[in-house]
Amino acid sequence: GAVVSQHPSRVICKSGTSVKIECRSLDFQATTMFWYRQFPKQSLMLMATSNEGSKATYEQGVEKDKFLINHASLTLSTLTVTSAHPEDSSFYICSARATVGGHSPNYGYTFGSGTRLTVV
Amino acid sequence: SQQGEEDPQALSIQEGENATMNCSYKTSINNLQWYRQNSGRGLVHLILIRSNEREKHSGRLRVTLDTSKKSSSLLITASRAADTASYFCATGLTSGSRLTFGEGTQLTVNP
Repeated sequence: GAVVSQHPSRVICKSGTSVKIECRSLDFQATTMFWYRQFPKQSLMLMATSNEGSKATYEQGVEKDKFLINHASLTLSTLTVTSAHPEDSSFYICSARATVGGHSPNYGYTFGSGTRLTVV
Repeated sequence: SQQGEEDPQALSIQEGENATMNCSYKTSINNLQWYRQNSGRGLVHLILIRSNEREKHSGRLRVTLDTSKKSSSLLITASRAADTASYFCATGLTSGSRLTFGEGTQLTVNP
């Protein structure tokens, strides 16, 4: 089945530094990538949607200059948290949607395993 | 505001018992999906039900959808300790649109 590899799984960084999270679709082409953030014991909140080759669409309240999303190829999307602060500490999850997902069990949404970011 | 609201927020049962979780949503949808998340891990897709379907089964899982009440339920029968996880419903307005997640139910199955 479809697999999305997300790295790193855990990262600790100092306040003020930047962190890049990668999501790769291993065996399918992902035209759309969704990036979610999840705080402890809470639900997933959509941060942004990116389509290959175009600028990401950010949800209301998400700073696009702080959370840089790049979706330069059909198999790779990155989320860079710039000038990270302790309040950015969270669990970040990507979800990739295949180009043809209508016949997939869940319409082709495949989730990465998540990245636990801790900013100290 | 959250599209999906789930109840209960937490559920603790004994192994072998059935677990029922409910999800309500606000707008018309194309599909509703249920996911499981083990602590600190990614999401595992469990089952998808389309808006024109009323019930689906997959192994020990049974999902119902009532579009008139804008609600869905997930039933896990004969629960096992390994079923301990958080369960989320997610709604899609179209077949390829973003998913909006409910607040989740934390299920604990005691051995």
